[in-house]
Amino acid sequence: EAQVTQNPRYLITVTGKKLTVTCSQNMNHEYMSWYRQDPGLGLRQIYYSMNVEVTDKGDVPEGYKVSRKEKRNFPLILESPSPNQTSLYFCASSFRWANEQFFGPGTRLTVL
Amino acid sequence: DQQVKQNSPSLSVQEGRISILNCDYTNSMFDYFLWYKKYPAEGPTFLISISSIKDKNEDGRFTVFLNKSAKHLSLHIVPSQPGDSAVYFCAAPHSQGGSEKLVFGKGTKLTVNP
Repeated sequence: EAQVTQNPRYLITVTGKKLTVTCSQNMNHEYMSWYRQDPGLGLRQIYYSMNVEVTDKGDVPEGYKVSRKEKRNFPLILESPSPNQTSLYFCASSFRWANEQFFGPGTRLTVL
Repeated sequence: DQQVKQNSPSLSVQEGRISILNCDYTNSMFDYFLWYKKYPAEGPTFLISISSIKDKNEDGRFTVFLNKSAKHLSLHIVPSQPGDSAVYFCAAPHSQGGSEKLVFGKGTKLTVNP
């Protein structure tokens, strides 16, 4: 089954404790992206990757890192999480950047 | 600067009636638009798209209309069903200065009442 998977689905952590949210797709897509969804703000892009080893900042990259060492995986790293990073995070992938994107189920992160 | 705007945060309609969700954009370079549907606790899913060479695209109960001169598009759902209750996002691919991304509106929450 073609899908985008994210782990964990839910996470409660404390300020400053490094965490990684994994994202994997099995569709051989070149483009992958991370978004956060906050009430009243819609979906905002954090980082994206056009292909392996090619990543770039989205609209709200502060406090986040990503890597794209393999085509299928695109982890989101929070080196020192803060409460303002409490949000719902979605990973997405597409064949090319302008094509329809397939989204993962989301990760709800709470930083205390 | 919000380039894709959905000015109605919510919309409520009766089952069987038409739902019309609106989206405005400011960038005349946008030439392709997508609608996504999102249920609670799930990721958004692609619904329908339209290219700027068309002014209408239809898929079953869903039709998207594009008015380029007004920089406006709308999604029509006919007839509306309770299962259509979700948040709908309008989006446009945007390329500028080496940055390629999908720009989303803030979404409209549709409630279809039985």
